[in-house]
Amino acid sequence: KQEVTQIPAALSVPEGENLVLNCSFTDSAIYNLQWFRQDPGKGLTSLLLIQSSQREQTSGRLNASLDKSSGRSTLYIAASQPGDSATYLCAVGRGGATNKLIFGTGTLLAVQP
Amino acid sequence: DGGITQSPKYLFRKEGQNVTLSCEQNLNHDAMYWYRQDPGQGLRLIYYSQIVNDFQKGDIAEGYSVSREKKESFPLTVTSAQKNPTAFYLCASSIGYRGITEAFFGQGTRLTVV
Repeated sequence: KQEVTQIPAALSVPEGENLVLNCSFTDSAIYNLQWFRQDPGKGLTSLLLIQSSQREQTSGRLNASLDKSSGRSTLYIAASQPGDSATYLCAVGRGGATNKLIFGTGTLLAVQP
Repeated sequence: DGGITQSPKYLFRKEGQNVTLSCEQNLNHDAMYWYRQDPGQGLRLIYYSQIVNDFQKGDIAEGYSVSREKKESFPLTVTSAQKNPTAFYLCASSIGYRGITEAFFGQGTRLTVV
């Protein structure tokens, strides 16, 4: 059974710092991996999607990497800003036309001004 | 603006009552999903639908029902059989064709039993 873990559960950093969020999964047979952002009481915003054949994806200050063999993905945030404060969730896709997602429990990020 | 609309934002249910959560999308996506989010837990899949008039149970379908009569709509009914319905419910959609599977989410409905 696929399990997804995110460490740390919470992280506080000063503004301007570069940071890395971690996501690990137990079964390397994934179809893809998606990173989301969730603000308090809100829905999920898709940040990056990495297909199983890819090693990384970049969007602005965000870079996500994927190492299927070790069951790991990282989300790198450069030059963090207070507006980056949110919960970050990773989810692995099981494949198939509907690609059902299995989620980690998230990392709560606080960027201090 | 294309997107996923969930309503209501807040919903209160009395014991023994059925309630229906609305999810509408104008992204022309074939696949739609319902997830449940509880504090300290990851999102869990309740039901999903790949096409109109077809839907499948997810990991925690007991006490829930859905319908998919239109491509744009995927309502979720929380029945009285669901013993612990208080949670944050999230609807999502994706294009649904193999290889194009990025999921997009609505803003959620918070259901509370009173």
